[in-house]
Amino acid sequence: VLTQSPDTLSLSPGERVTLSCRASQGVGNRYLAWYQQKSGHTPRLLIYGASTRATGIPDRFSGSGSGTDFTLTISRLEPEDFAVYYCQQFDGSVWTFGQGTKVEVK
Amino acid sequence: EVELLESGGGLVKPGGSLRLSCVASGFSFNTYTMSWVRQAPGKGLEWVSAVRPSDERTFYIDSVKGRFTISRDNSRNTLYLQMDSLRVEDTAIYYCVKESPYTTPRMYYFESWGQGILITVSS
Repeated sequence: VLTQSPDTLSLSPGERVTLSCRASQGVGNRYLAWYQQKSGHTPRLLIYGASTRATGIPDRFSGSGSGTDFTLTISRLEPEDFAVYYCQQFDGSVWTFGQGTKVEVK
Repeated sequence: EVELLESGGGLVKPGGSLRLSCVASGFSFNTYTMSWVRQAPGKGLEWVSAVRPSDERTFYIDSVKGRFTISRDNSRNTLYLQMDSLRVEDTAIYYCVKESPYTTPRMYYFESWGQGILITVSS
């Protein structure tokens, strides 16, 4: 099970964002990814391998962590970053998503 | 450019069946594991099923085991999801997803997503 916190963050553009993803059992870094989903759109891969940015992802997005605790950080929130963020893990046969964290405009 | 085009969605009564198709282009379909992921209205993402490229071994989330069957036709670059005994709780947008490549070491993530197709199970 992946548990994300908080469920919702109300922030203003320019702020720093820290999203948490906690796994019920240890996860190898190769198996941990983050996605962004804007309202009415398809999810987009942001981070894989816990800390590697996907192609075309701005460097204000960064991932960190290991074991059971992982973090997605947005260094400076841009207007286009308001969205729902999901972490994801793979255990060898089953994929699991966290419940998502919504980053909304304050 | 990778394209994943789903079809076959619609409205079905509880207990009914539907078959989803996903036609892939822009990559070597027969070398990638493919998955279906769903998203119920207003809810989060839920992986449903996957099928490997060569041995076509399949994987399912517990809630659909025995009801859904994933398959692929590598000659047609097409992924399928046969959904039987549908339940109201299966109502969702279903996404066709291309998994990460078989690199060494392999990283695990969903690389490309289709636009999704809506399945509504209602009487």
